[in-house]
Amino acid sequence: SQTIHQWPATLVQPVGSPLSLECTVEGTSNPNLYWYRQAAGRGLQLLFYSVGIGQISSEVPQNLSASRPQDRQFILSSKKLLLSDSGFYLCAWSGTDKYEQYFGPGTRLTVT
Amino acid sequence: DQQVKQNSPSLSVQEGRISILNCDYTNSMFDYFLWYKKYPAEGPTFLISISSIKDKNEDGRFTVFLNKSAKHLSLHIVPSQPGDSAVYFCAASESGTYKYIFGTGTRLKVLA
Repeated sequence: SQTIHQWPATLVQPVGSPLSLECTVEGTSNPNLYWYRQAAGRGLQLLFYSVGIGQISSEVPQNLSASRPQDRQFILSSKKLLLSDSGFYLCAWSGTDKYEQYFGPGTRLTVT
Repeated sequence: DQQVKQNSPSLSVQEGRISILNCDYTNSMFDYFLWYKKYPAEGPTFLISISSIKDKNEDGRFTVFLNKSAKHLSLHIVPSQPGDSAVYFCAASESGTYKYIFGTGTRLKVLA
């Protein structure tokens, strides 16, 4: 069966520090991968998605970036965090022949 | 512009009764819809989906109805149980775009 991992589970970072969140998927090949953010009291905002290695589509202009160095690995990064980057970050995957998306456990990021 | 809207931020229902969660969308190109359930500090869990070629899909206690002319879908939970208390998100997608637009969620509270 397929599983999706995210780490770390929680993170507290000062403003201006770098960020790296990692997501990996097991049990499937060539998944579509997604990064979402849920700000406090808000819905899920799609940040990036990827349909293959090295292929990244950005949905929202911001100081975050994403990379997909391997088929089942998706990384969310920032060179300098802002207070507004605080939120709950979720990674998700979907198969290329199905529409359902499956989410990881999330990372709670607090920028202080 | 919010393309997917869940206008009720919260809903309280007595245990054993029906819960009805609503979702409206504006983009007529959306042709696949999903419902997710989310507990605090966890990733959303996929519940049920429906494509635009159907107007109803049922899975156990969960039924999703789609009214394409009204651009409206609803999730019915019967009978409601205390464990159903969570935030419910609807999401919509257009074929071939590989991405979903999520609503802002409805917090369901099932009272014992």
